[in-house]
Amino acid sequence: NAGVMQNPRHLVRRRGQEARLRCSPMKGHSHVYWYRQLPEEGLKFMVYLQKENIIDESGMPKERFSAEFPKEGPSILRIQQVVRGDSAAYFCASSPFERPNTGELFFGEGSRLTVL
Amino acid sequence: KQEVTQIPAALSVPEGENLVLNCSFTDSAIYNLQWFRQDPGKGLTSLLLIQSSQREQTSGRLNASLDKSSGRSTLYIAASQPGDSATYLCAVRPAGGKLIFGQGTELSVKP
Repeated sequence: NAGVMQNPRHLVRRRGQEARLRCSPMKGHSHVYWYRQLPEEGLKFMVYLQKENIIDESGMPKERFSAEFPKEGPSILRIQQVVRGDSAAYFCASSPFERPNTGELFFGEGSRLTVL
Repeated sequence: KQEVTQIPAALSVPEGENLVLNCSFTDSAIYNLQWFRQDPGKGLTSLLLIQSSQREQTSGRLNASLDKSSGRSTLYIAASQPGDSATYLCAVRPAGGKLIFGQGTELSVKP
């Protein structure tokens, strides 16, 4: 049973370009969470999604950032017109459907975005 | 607003010592608390999950306790080894699904 898979592991973009980060949850998991870890800072919640639904996006910047979790395929975190301050590690986590509040969260290895 | 604090921010110990990492949270209305380990440049590895109705969980040399009423958790590591060197993160789960993390404790175990 593969864990949470994130790709790309490393991504370099120039200012103004778009970054797309993908996350495939563990098999059987239908809840996905995205977190951002800035250098020397803790993990900050961004968005919580179920299949085809955004449940909580309170941690996601209102502009330039969007997330989706389609019925088929991975969850996507999209950052438009990237700026240097977007450079960070972006982590995805998943948990099982039947235990949305009490289930254990499993994290991927992260995608490290560098904006030049 | 839930806030999670971890003390100390960094800790250096000689190999073989037993040690305790502390985590406190401001709102006791949580479903569970999870301890993670993060190695440099890597993802998070779940160590222990304590549900709100539980007092402690054990895995090998690790023991985590939870006192929900006082808003505290501790992670006890017995007979520390250089391979235990990493950042340890505590996270609580209030209603709503998401985990809220502390800043972490950076542990260094010297041979």
